[in-house]
Formats: sequence, C-alpha cells, structure tokens
Amino acid sequence: GQNIDQPTEMTATEGAIVQINCTYQTSGFNGLFWYQQHAGEAPTFLSYNVLDGLEEKGRFSSFLSRSKGYSYLLLKELQMKDSASYLCAVRDGNYQLIWGAGTKLIIKP
Amino acid sequence: IAGITQAPTSQILAAGRRMTLRCTQDMRHNAMYWYRQDLGLGLRLIHYSNTAGTTGKGEVPDGYSVSRANTDDFPLTLASAVPSQTSVYFCASSDSNGSPDEQFFGPGTRLTVL
Repeated sequence: GQNIDQPTEMTATEGAIVQINCTYQTSGFNGLFWYQQHAGEAPTFLSYNVLDGLEEKGRFSSFLSRSKGYSYLLLKELQMKDSASYLCAVRDGNYQLIWGAGTKLIIKP
Repeated sequence: IAGITQAPTSQILAAGRRMTLRCTQDMRHNAMYWYRQDLGLGLRLIHYSNTAGTTGKGEVPDGYSVSRANTDDFPLTLASAVPSQTSVYFCASSDSNGSPDEQFFGPGTRLTVL
C-alpha cells in the first residue's frame, strides 16, 4: 500500500531552526508538496519538489531525495506564527495526492 | 467571491438525514476535490472531478455523491448521514494544466452527525 510518514508532533524555540521529515512509499512519484495548516483553518500551499535537491523560499526550504523516498521541510528563524501543522503530500503515479497525517509544530518563546 | 468558498461553515445533522455541502470557486480551475479530515489521519479524498461533466471516486467514496454541472460548483451530498461521517470537510480546486498544480482549499465545513 501507499504510505506517508511524518512525526506527529515537534516542539521548537522561537528564533531557532526546525526540520520536519517526511518519508514515503508510493506507487509512482510525480512530485511532493508541503502545506501549512493553522488550527481550525484550511491547508495552504508552501512548497513543491519534483527533482532531487533543495528548494528555498524565504525562511522555508524543502529538500527531496527520490531514491530514499525522503523529504524534509526546514523552517528558519522560527516565529510564533509558525505554530501550525505541516502536511506532506505525494502525487503518485496516477496523479492522485496521498497525504501524511501532518506534524503539529509547537513554538515556545 | 475570491478563491473558493464552502457552505455551511458548520452543521449538526440527525442521522438518516440528507445533506448537501456546497463548494464554489471563481478561479476557473478545471479540477475540484472533496476531502474529509479526521483527527490523527491525513486528508482523505472522497471524490474528485478533473473537468466539468466528469467525476471520480477517491479513497473513501461510500455514502457520498458529487456532481459537476459546471466549472465553478462541486456539491457533495450525503444521502443518509451516519455518525461516522462526522468530520471536517474541505473542498479544493487546482489548475491541473499548470505546474505545480497545487491545490487551493476552501475554509471547510465542520459536520456533526448525531
């Protein structure tokens, strides 16, 4: 079956750096997405990787290794507003999105 | 309308009742999706539509139906609600002809079936 694994919860300190990992096993691969979801709100798109390597977008970066079935989202200079759930999703060989359960990130002052 | 809207925002429903959740987008996206989100689980696809006039089943379609009469609207109907359908429902849309074809989500409908 298809599977996306992420840690359930992580805690970090304001101003610090945190890395959220995602491993996947899917039937085919057509890209990996990261979304941010604040409590009680809708998910919003953060980043997309389809080739190996690092994509940087301001304080957020996302890395992909297709051979290892692995991605991470790196958040720098953490702010309190970064407290949210971060969802990893993989587009499989049938172009369907498979979603992880999300990682709840708690930022402490 | 800006983006994608859903109605109602929340609803409490008696088991056995019929309910339609509405979803409208103004981005002229060809593809639309319905998900449910339950605590501890990832978003699960219920039904999708790649273009007006076509629909497909997702991971958890039983008990739900959809229609796509035009580009903008994609209603989700629960024919006879059951308590296990208590969830938060998100509608999403995307331009599948573009890249990276990210999905844009509506604000969600919180549904409780008693």
